[in-house]
Amino acid sequence: DVKVTQSSRYLVKRTGEKVFLECVQDMDHENMFWYRQDPGLGLRLIYFSYDVKMKEKGDIPEGYSVSREKKERFSLILESASTNQTSMYLCASSTRTEPFNYGYTFGSGTRLTVV
Amino acid sequence: GQNIDQPTEMTATEGAIVQINCTYQTSGFNGLFWYQQHAGEAPTFLSYNVLDGLEEKGRFSSFLSRSKGYSYLLLKELQMKDSASYLCAVKTGTASKLTFGTGTRLQVTL
Repeated sequence: DVKVTQSSRYLVKRTGEKVFLECVQDMDHENMFWYRQDPGLGLRLIYFSYDVKMKEKGDIPEGYSVSREKKERFSLILESASTNQTSMYLCASSTRTEPFNYGYTFGSGTRLTVV
Repeated sequence: GQNIDQPTEMTATEGAIVQINCTYQTSGFNGLFWYQQHAGEAPTFLSYNVLDGLEEKGRFSSFLSRSKGYSYLLLKELQMKDSASYLCAVKTGTASKLTFGTGTRLQVTL
C-alpha cells in the first residue's frame, strides 16, 4: 500500500521556535508539495519540489522554507513560528509520468498549534 | 490568477442524489480533480476530468465543460458515510501543482 507519511499528527510549539515538519513517501514520486489548510480558505500551496534539491515557491511561502535532500523526503521549516501559522499542514506527492489521472497522494496531516 | 468557486455547505437525504458544482477561472487549464475529505483525515482522490463530458465511477460521476469553466460532482444513492467535504482542484500549465477551491461540506441526513 503506497504511503505518504508525516512525522507528527499533532504538534504544539512556542512562538519564535524553529519548527520542522517531515514528510516521507515510498512511491518513488518526483513531485512533492506542502499545503496548509484553514477553515474557509481551503488548501493553499506553500512550497513544492519537482526533484531532489530543487524547490519552488507556492502561493504563500512567507515565513517558510523547505528542504529536499533525498527523493523520498520533503521537509517544511518554520524559521520562527508565529501564532498565524497555527494550521493543518498537508504533504502530498505525485508522479510526472503521464497519464496524470490519479492526482496527489496526501499524508494524514500535521495539526500545528503555535502558542 | 486562479479563482475556484464551490458552495460552502450542502445537505441531502440518505438515498438521494446530490450535485456539487465548481466554477473556475484560471490562466491555463490542464485538468480538474475532485477529492473527498472526511473530518480530520487527508483528502482522497475521487475523479479526474481533462476533456469535456461525463466520467462515471460507481455512485460518483464528474462532469466538465471547459468552455464554461464548470464542473460538477454527482453523488447517487447517498449514504451516511458520504458526509464529508468535497474539494474541487484545477491543474494549470505543465506543472503538476493543483489549485484547490475552499471545499463543499456535505451533510447526509436520515
